[in-house]
Amino acid sequence: KNQVEQSPQSLIILEGKNCTLQCNYTVSPFSNLRWYKQDTGRGPVSLTIMTFSENTKSNGRYTATLDADTKQSSLHITASQLSDSASYICVVTILTGGGNKLTFGTGTQLKVEL
Amino acid sequence: NAGVTQTPKFQVLKTGQSMTLQCAQDMNHEYMSWYRQDPGMGLRLIHYSVGAGITDQGEVPNGYNVSRSTTEDFPLRLLSAAPSQTSVYFCASSYSGQSLNTEAFFGQGTRLTVV
Repeated sequence: KNQVEQSPQSLIILEGKNCTLQCNYTVSPFSNLRWYKQDTGRGPVSLTIMTFSENTKSNGRYTATLDADTKQSSLHITASQLSDSASYICVVTILTGGGNKLTFGTGTQLKVEL
Repeated sequence: NAGVTQTPKFQVLKTGQSMTLQCAQDMNHEYMSWYRQDPGMGLRLIHYSVGAGITDQGEVPNGYNVSRSTTEDFPLRLLSAAPSQTSVYFCASSYSGQSLNTEAFFGQGTRLTVV
């Protein structure tokens, strides 16, 4: 069972609408949580990084929230644009003797339509 | 500002062939890593390096070798390609592997098909 679960698996919304993507994790001990955006055929690009003491972080129209007690995070996209069509990946980091270990979710595939 | 550059972008290999996936970064990052991305699965760590001359295994290292002779380059070698190695491979780098909030930068990926 993946230690980072994302929902929904895919989502279609109309341009201009808002949406919220969910991430639940069981990775422990938790260090930080990241959200990445991955366009088709490209590598992931970081949107936000939050430590366990932060409960919200924004990057333009993207706002991530974190509840370390329930081990849940969400990514809220406001006023969606066609360019928001991508896979959004939740990543939980733990710090090990070998450095940061990133555990990736499988992503939510978002499609924004006219 | 090139960031993380991977070559080639696409490759088809026959079973048993060997090849090297190239990765270079121009940000003077200490930490570099290789991941593979398969359908329905999250990215999985193959090998990583915390600095020149130092490499270590990740979650799925079998069938792959790496070396880190310079800070800039971190090639991934497939010794004898197998169909199970068909995947998209991503190289990533960050300033430090020990700082919690260090940004990780990814290359554009190499799509490898083994027939």
